[in-house]
Amino acid sequence: GAGVSQSPSNKVTEKGKDVELRCDPISGHTALYWYRQSLGQGLEFLIYFQGNSAPDKSGLPSDRFSAERTGGSVSTLTIQRTQQEDSAVYLCASSLAVPEQFFGPGTRLTVL
Amino acid sequence: QQQVKQSPQSLIVQKGGISIINCAYENTAFDYFPWYQQFPGKGPALLIAIRPDVSEKKEGRFTISFNKSAKQFSLHIMDSQPGDSATYFCAARGGFYGGSQGNLIFGKGTKLSVKP
Repeated sequence: GAGVSQSPSNKVTEKGKDVELRCDPISGHTALYWYRQSLGQGLEFLIYFQGNSAPDKSGLPSDRFSAERTGGSVSTLTIQRTQQEDSAVYLCASSLAVPEQFFGPGTRLTVL
Repeated sequence: QQQVKQSPQSLIVQKGGISIINCAYENTAFDYFPWYQQFPGKGPALLIAIRPDVSEKKEGRFTISFNKSAKQFSLHIMDSQPGDSATYFCAARGGFYGGSQGNLIFGKGTKLSVKP
């Protein structure tokens, strides 16, 4: 079946603009995770959804970051007033009530 | 206490050799330890995983060795091939308690190059 998909694959934006990143999880997966991967670094956890609910948003790096999930499926990560330090690859993973998390290809965000 | 330390940062191995990547953790509540393989421009792909009640798990050429008392685990790639050249990440899951959301905590990665 189809894996996790993310769009866009690449996004170049100017400092101060808002961006939206989209994640389509594997069908039926109830858990959804967002991670950020900066150059040469490991993956940093941002936020977790179980269904449409995000129990804890403390992983988000600042209040410029927000995320939502609708219909227990698609999720959108929004970054407002982007800064150059937001440049990274944003990865989404989904899971079906088991530890295994399956990652999408990521969105490479470049803030000029 | 939530960190996972991975070494080495980079590794060069000859074709047919054994690649060994090590990880260490501090939080004894971690309950799941996966390894991910990532090729340039792609998302991480789950390679193999182990639970702390098992000391070794083997899948094909890939083996995880787990030492619970030392709080260390390692990935061994036997008969390494040029196609194995990628970045490997170890991770640990914190379970669903004490504010943890079952998210994975990743090491910083090891870039493996297998020379023909």
